[in-house]
Amino acid sequence: KQEVTQIPAALSVPEGENLVLNCSFTDSAIYNLQWFRQDPGKGLTSLLLIQSSQREQTSGRLNASLDKSSGRSTLYIAASQPGDSATYLCAAEAYSGAGSYQLTFGKGTKLSVIP
Amino acid sequence: GAGVSQSPSNKVTEKGKDVELRCDPISGHTALYWYRQSLGQGLEFLIYFQGNSAPDKSGLPSDRFSAERTGGSVSTLTIQRTQQEDSAVYLCASSLGPRGGVGDTQYFGPGTRLTVL
Repeated sequence: KQEVTQIPAALSVPEGENLVLNCSFTDSAIYNLQWFRQDPGKGLTSLLLIQSSQREQTSGRLNASLDKSSGRSTLYIAASQPGDSATYLCAAEAYSGAGSYQLTFGKGTKLSVIP
Repeated sequence: GAGVSQSPSNKVTEKGKDVELRCDPISGHTALYWYRQSLGQGLEFLIYFQGNSAPDKSGLPSDRFSAERTGGSVSTLTIQRTQQEDSAVYLCASSLGPRGGVGDTQYFGPGTRLTVL
C-alpha cells in the first residue's frame, strides 16, 4: 500500500527566502506526482503535476522535481511571499488495481511566510 | 468557466440520520472523485466515477456510504445512519479524463463540512 510522507509538518520562514518542501513515497510504481495547495476552509488548488516519465515541472516561482527511483519529490518555492502561506499537499497517483487510478496524499506541510 | 461546486458547504446532522452531499463537476469533465479529509488526517480516496459508472469503490469505508452519478455530470454521496466518526470535510474533484497528460489534473471543489452530533 502506497504511503506518502511530507517533511516538515510545519515551516515558518521570513518573506523573501527560498524554501524546499519534501515528499517521499514508498511505492515507485506511480503514474504521476502532484502538488496541491490548500487554504483554510477551502478546497485544493493544483500547483504542479509531474508525469512518471518527467523529472521536473516549473510554474512561476514554483519548481517541483521527481526522483522515482528514490521515491522522492521536492517543491521549491523561490522568493517566498506572505501570500504563499498555506498547506502544501503532495499526492502520488497510481493504478489501484480496482479499475482506477488513485491519489494517495501526504498529510501536508503548513507553510507560514512572515512579512 | 465555473469550477467544481459542492453543496451544502456545511451540514450538521444528528447521529443516525441520512445525509446527501452534492457535487457539480466542471462541464465536460468525465472523471469525478470523492475524498474525505478528517481532522488531523490526510485526504482519503472514497470513490471514482468515469462517466456514470464507478469502476472503483474501494475507498468507501462501509456499506453506509454510497454514491451515484447521473447524466455524466452531477454526483451525490449518501451516508446512511450517520455516525460521529463520519464527521469530516468531503471533497469532490473532477478531471478531463481519460488518462493521459494534462487531462490528469484534478480540480477540487470547496468541500462540504459534515458534523455529526
